[in-house]
Amino acid sequence: DAKTTQPNSMESNEEEPVHLPCNHSTISGTDYIHWYRQLPSQGPEYVIHGLTSNVNNRMASLAIAEDRKSSTLILHRATLRDAAVYYCICPYNQGGKLIFGQGTELSVKP
Amino acid sequence: DGGITQSPKYLFRKEGQNVTLSCEQNLNHDAMYWYRQDPGQGLRLIYYSQIVNDFQKGDIAEGYSVSREKKESFPLTVTSAQKNPTAFYLCASSINGLMTAEDGYTFGSGTRLTVV
Repeated sequence: DAKTTQPNSMESNEEEPVHLPCNHSTISGTDYIHWYRQLPSQGPEYVIHGLTSNVNNRMASLAIAEDRKSSTLILHRATLRDAAVYYCICPYNQGGKLIFGQGTELSVKP
Repeated sequence: DGGITQSPKYLFRKEGQNVTLSCEQNLNHDAMYWYRQDPGQGLRLIYYSQIVNDFQKGDIAEGYSVSREKKESFPLTVTSAQKNPTAFYLCASSINGLMTAEDGYTFGSGTRLTVV
């Protein structure tokens, strides 16, 4: 299994960029990197995913290291509504299971 | 709109009673999952099912049971054998039970179970 390691918590100021790191040093060549976030008292929601190239969507950008052993989720302008727990997951080769780590709790200060 | 529906949102039960949590999806997804989340903790996998009439234990299956008689439904029963059942329960689904690398996962809004 490709385990992921993330900082437990991070803080950001509103309207500033946020870079959320994730290490996945045991990732396999076919593992996609997925990011989800969970707002308080809600189920996780999909944010973005990628394989090798950097990815952008309306929510965020995903920067993947050249060796794919780490990635960074980038929120370009944090808002108060971005305060959540962010999970980085490499789901392939988990035998049909989706395993979550502890995630990073992002706090956004006004 | 397609999605996953979990009901009820809040559930209270007396200690020693079995309780069943509902999870229904209309996404035509093959795979479904149940997770438990305790305050300040991450999600822990209880059971998962890749296809109808088949399911496997996750990391914390003791005290829980599931069934997958229909593709759309994956109910979770919290039995009296579960020592600490009070938690937030989340159901999820994914399109491919074979876990294609790119597949995403859709989550329900959760059921908060309190046992008194």
